Amino acid sequence: AQSVTQPDIHITVSEGASLELRCNYSYGATPYLFWYVQSPGQGLQLLLKYFSGDTLVQGIKGFEAEFKRSQSSFNLRKPSVHWSDAAEYFCAVGARNQFYFGTGTSLTVIP
Amino acid sequence: NAGVTQTPKFRILKIGQSMTLQCTQDMNHNYMYWYRQDPGMGLKLIYYSVGAGITDKGEVPNGYNVSRSTTEDFPLRLELAAPSQTSVYFCASQRAIGALGGTDTQYFGPGTRLTVL
Repeated sequence: AQSVTQPDIHITVSEGASLELRCNYSYGATPYLFWYVQSPGQGLQLLLKYFSGDTLVQGIKGFEAEFKRSQSSFNLRKPSVHWSDAAEYFCAVGARNQFYFGTGTSLTVIP
Repeated sequence: NAGVTQTPKFRILKIGQSMTLQCTQDMNHNYMYWYRQDPGMGLKLIYYSVGAGITDKGEVPNGYNVSRSTTEDFPLRLELAAPSQTSVYFCASQRAIGALGGTDTQYFGPGTRLTVL
């Protein structure tokens, strides 16, 4: 069965520091992987996606993610965090008609 | 292009009342979805539709009903509201999946915050 695990419930970083949010998935075939961001009281916005090809994908707002098949991971990174990046981040696996979401990682940014 | 719109934004129901959460998309997407989001639980799929007249259950369908009479609209119905249905509800839409399978980006509405007392 498909599943997504985000092991970090909450992360706190200082503004300007680097960020890595972890995501592990379980899926029997080639995964379609997504990272979404949710600001308080808002819907989900797509940051980036991986379908095939280059395993390092670039997204909006300076985010990138790397697909590692051997580790079943799709970690999200940003070299320098801005205060406006404080939000909830969700990793998801797309499997034909359905999406499977992780439980999210809440990011706090300290000035 | 408004994308995915949801109404109402907020609603308080009494136990046993019924209501319909509205969802409309203007991107001509065939696929539409309803999720609920509970604190610390991520998003759970309630129902989805792959086209007008076709709906199917997701992971947590009990207590809900849907219909899809047009491509644009995908309303979610709560017949007998219960406190366990207190949640934030998100509607999403997606382009049709190609002949070879696969998936595409889902676009989300802003959500409806429902409280059942």
